[in-house]
Amino acid sequence: GENVEQHPSTLSVQEGDSAVIKCTYSDSASNYFPWYKQELGKRPQLIIDIRSNVGEKKDQRIAVTLNKTAKHFSLHITETQPEDSAVYFCAARGSNYKLTFGKGTLLTVNP
Amino acid sequence: NAGVTQTPKFQVLKTGQSMTLQCAQDMNHNSMYWYRQDPGMGLRLIYYSASEGTTDKGEVPNGYNVSRLNKREFSLRLESAAPSQTSVYFCASSDSGDTEAFFGQGTRLTVV
Repeated sequence: GENVEQHPSTLSVQEGDSAVIKCTYSDSASNYFPWYKQELGKRPQLIIDIRSNVGEKKDQRIAVTLNKTAKHFSLHITETQPEDSAVYFCAARGSNYKLTFGKGTLLTVNP
Repeated sequence: NAGVTQTPKFQVLKTGQSMTLQCAQDMNHNSMYWYRQDPGMGLRLIYYSASEGTTDKGEVPNGYNVSRLNKREFSLRLESAAPSQTSVYFCASSDSGDTEAFFGQGTRLTVV
């Protein structure tokens, strides 16, 4: 089955710096790669996603890149703000609609 | 639209007791999922249902059963609760294909 590895598990940056979170997946049939943000005590919510026919996608300060050959994808947050502090999860979904998550990254943005 | 609704929000069980977690979605989604979330372990898939009438095991199915009652509802049953099942449980749903999965608000379950 699909295995999603996510690194780092914790990340601390200064406000205004960039943050990068990386994920790898094992199933070459996976074709959809969402990223979720979870604030303390709340449900995960989608922040950006990318499909297998696209190499990069950007939405304001957030961007995601996908390398299907290497089976890895990354989340980039620029100009970080304290409200970006949360746990971020990557995920991969295969052709059987099974949605597998990484273990998460705790991002702390220090003012 | 309420989105994905889970009940209950909190539950305390004694070891060996049984219970069913309920999940309903009003977005006409085909796929539904049950995850558990433990500190440092991320979101682990228990069971999922790609479409009405089908269910499949995820990463950690032992000790659980599911029922896809209809297109809207997907329940998770613990037949004999164990302390290792203490966790936060999330239900989610998505449409077929490459679309966003929406999560319920979670159920915090404690087994003593």
